[in-house]
Amino acid sequence: AQSVTQLDSQVPVFEEAPVELRCNYSSSVSVYLFWYVQYPNQGLQLLLKYLSGSTLVKSINGFEAEFNKSQTSFHLRKPSVHISDTAEYFCAVTVYSSASKIIFGSGTRLSIRP
Amino acid sequence: KAGVTQTPRYLIKTRGQQVTLSCSPISGHRSVSWYQQTPGQGLQFLFEYFSETQRNKGNFPGRFSGRQFSNSRSEMNVSTLELGDSALYLCASSGGTGHEQFFGPGTRLTVL
Repeated sequence: AQSVTQLDSQVPVFEEAPVELRCNYSSSVSVYLFWYVQYPNQGLQLLLKYLSGSTLVKSINGFEAEFNKSQTSFHLRKPSVHISDTAEYFCAVTVYSSASKIIFGSGTRLSIRP
Repeated sequence: KAGVTQTPRYLIKTRGQQVTLSCSPISGHRSVSWYQQTPGQGLQFLFEYFSETQRNKGNFPGRFSGRQFSNSRSEMNVSTLELGDSALYLCASSGGTGHEQFFGPGTRLTVL
């Protein structure tokens, strides 16, 4: 069975500071990896995904994540955060054989201080 | 393309009642998945429908059921509601390549 661990439930940072949200997964088979973001009172939006190829993937709003197979990690980073990045971030995994069932981590609440 | 829509957005029920939630996927998407989101349990997979057939199922009691129509719209039903069923219910659709799911805004169910 697959599982996802987000080690930090809350991460407070100052505006324009760098941030890293950690994600580790467990799976005996190959997986696809995702980061979703949920703004207050909204559904989830896909931030970025790793399916294959380059292990470094980037979003249009400056976030990036690197797939590290040996460490089974998919940490999310941004070099300089903005107030508008305040949201909850979910790491997720799905397996090749059942791509429609996503297993989510418990989420990390990112709060940006001015 | 229009996104995933869910109706109603908010719902208040009392214990013992039943409820039906509706989800319209993105046009052309044939897979619809349902998730329950609560502060204590996080996001949990309920089930997935593809071409009117349940293809995957999570670990929820039989009180939670669903169905999908020929136009890919899906409904989720919860019978004999319990206080613990209060949650945000999210629907997601997928189709084509990419494997990502596109989520609707959710239906917030409150059970009193």
